[in-house]
Amino acid sequence: QVHLVESGGGLVNPGGSLRLSCAASGFTFSDHYMSWIRQAPGKGLEWISSISSGGGTIYYSDSVQGRFTISRDNAKNSLFLQLNSLRAEDTALYYCARGKVAGNSGKWFDPWGQGTLVTVSS
Amino acid sequence: SYELTQSPSVTVSPGQTASITCSGDRLGSKYACWYQQKPGQSPVLVIYQDTKRPSGIPERFSGSNSGNTATLTISGTQAMDEADYYCQAWDSNFWVFGGGTKLTVL
Repeated sequence: QVHLVESGGGLVNPGGSLRLSCAASGFTFSDHYMSWIRQAPGKGLEWISSISSGGGTIYYSDSVQGRFTISRDNAKNSLFLQLNSLRAEDTALYYCARGKVAGNSGKWFDPWGQGTLVTVSS
Repeated sequence: SYELTQSPSVTVSPGQTASITCSGDRLGSKYACWYQQKPGQSPVLVIYQDTKRPSGIPERFSGSNSGNTATLTISGTQAMDEADYYCQAWDSNFWVFGGGTKLTVL
């Protein structure tokens, strides 16, 4: 059974940093794109970053480009997100999700982890 | 940047058909998918590649996508289908979500 477990969230001051982790199990991690999606309290879903199976291709949303860094360790079945220069508007539940890529026939997320909460406040 | 637009809310009576729409420029030329999110839970994929259902998703969930609009249809809606629904597509190296539609079964 595919399982994704995020960790590393917490309370951080504006301008601070945090590193999120996602432990994957139940599938061949190194075969799949992986992504981070966040959801601010009471708001909708926002894609923020994706990384290809080998780590050679990375995408970021405009809202986090230059501040967040996605990475992965295929030997440890783990996905990471380094969050720097955090702002109040980065407060959200951060989900890790397995990406499904079908060439030019769509890209989607399945499944999702339970999320880890990041709160940026002084 | 690409945008997907959803109506904020839809209300349906139990047993009736619910239609939730998602609009975007030439969305029919891309591939849409849909997620269901119940309160306090993570999103769950219910439709991918416009019309396909993942294993374990009931047959009452179906999808279509043409022109500028993708539609999630729930036939014989049940109380357990009450949730937020999000459409999503991929465009030019960005994954994009719609703003979400709250489905109320009343």
